[in-house]
Amino acid sequence: GAVVSQHPSWVICKSGTSVKIECRSLDFQATTMFWYRQFPKQSLMLMATSNEGSKATYEQGVEKDKFLINHASLTLSTLTVTSAHPEDSSFYICSARTGGTQYFGPGTRLLVL
Amino acid sequence: TQLLEQSPQFLSIQEGENLTVYCNSSSVFSSLQWYRQEPGEGPVLLVTVVTGGEVKKLKRLTFQFGDARKDSSLHITAAQPGDTGLYLCAGETLNDMLRFGAGTRLTVKP
Repeated sequence: GAVVSQHPSWVICKSGTSVKIECRSLDFQATTMFWYRQFPKQSLMLMATSNEGSKATYEQGVEKDKFLINHASLTLSTLTVTSAHPEDSSFYICSARTGGTQYFGPGTRLLVL
Repeated sequence: TQLLEQSPQFLSIQEGENLTVYCNSSSVFSSLQWYRQEPGEGPVLLVTVVTGGEVKKLKRLTFQFGDARKDSSLHITAAQPGDTGLYLCAGETLNDMLRFGAGTRLTVKP
């Protein structure tokens, strides 16, 4: 089956620093990847759609200058949380679409101190 | 407000009991997907339903898509402790976005 990986699986950083999260489709190419955020005991909320070779499309309320997305190849999308603050602490999950189905990565837990 | 209303939000039952989780919306979806998520992991796809009125069975799990493609249900027969987890429904919109319900946190006690 289609496999999506994320790196790192968890990260702790100081407030004000930037954190980069990678999302890779391991055995397929994905022109479209998605980034979600999930707070404790809540569901997944779509943050943005990452399109290979073009700018990401952000959902309403998501700051594009704070959450930088780069989809440089058909197998890699990155999400950079710039100037992270404690309220950015969350579980970040990516997905990659192939054949009409989204396959999800294992998630990255971010803790900002 | 969420595009998909999922109920119940929490469910705690004894092993062997049956249960149904509902996912309702006023919007039409091109497909509807059910996922199960374990703590600290990404959601894992259980099933995709596409056709209105469609019923799919996966061992003890039965999934149904409403005739109007606005709602769905997940029925689990003879629940087992291994069924414990967060169950999420997600509707695929006409522009290929997935919108998730709030989730149902199921606990099956032995």
